[in-house]
Amino acid sequence: IAGITQAPTSQILAAGRRMTLRCTQDMRHNAMYWYRQDLGLGLRLIHYSNTAGTTGKGEVPDGYSVSRANTDDFPLTLASAVPSQTSVYFCASSPSGDWDTQYFGPGTRLTVL
Amino acid sequence: SQKIEQNSEALNIQEGKTATLTCNYTNYSPAYLQWYRQDPGRGPVFLLLIRENEKEKRKERLKVTFDTTLKQSLFHITASQPADSATYLCAPLWGSQGNLIFGKGTKLSVKP
Repeated sequence: IAGITQAPTSQILAAGRRMTLRCTQDMRHNAMYWYRQDLGLGLRLIHYSNTAGTTGKGEVPDGYSVSRANTDDFPLTLASAVPSQTSVYFCASSPSGDWDTQYFGPGTRLTVL
Repeated sequence: SQKIEQNSEALNIQEGKTATLTCNYTNYSPAYLQWYRQDPGRGPVFLLLIRENEKEKRKERLKVTFDTTLKQSLFHITASQPADSATYLCAPLWGSQGNLIFGKGTKLSVKP
């Protein structure tokens, strides 16, 4: 049972480059989420999707985009990376979104230079 | 705007004692609140969920309370063990889409 997988595990990226963080779940969960976690700021929601084909903005969506073409995949794209996007990114999923617990992936550590 | 505060960044206790972590929220009334555990370099793992009409929820050595008047949740670990050392995150419901808002966490260290 894989649960949620994220790729890459870590990445160093030059500012201005485009980057897509991948997230795949095999639990057939309807809802998926992207968070970033920074020291002193905790986990903050970037974007979410309550079901395939729909997405929504979280607390810190600027500079990021997402798509949800199917149930299993929820990629996060940085169109033009900036150093302030250096962070640890976590993908999560939950069965239906509302009232459900969230299951987190192992995270991607991204450094933008 | 909504604000979530966890009582301290770090809590150090002796093995066998009860650890008590506090989560306070302001400016809104969440219908439920969740607690997660996070180990270094790993994603958070769900522990307990408590609803606004529940005063207390237990799971093995864990107990969570939810006081909607005080706008506070307490998380207790009884008979604590060094293996309980981790960061614990409070996460009340936020907004109308079923999303969570996470506190910054309390890092618990249990010394043998």
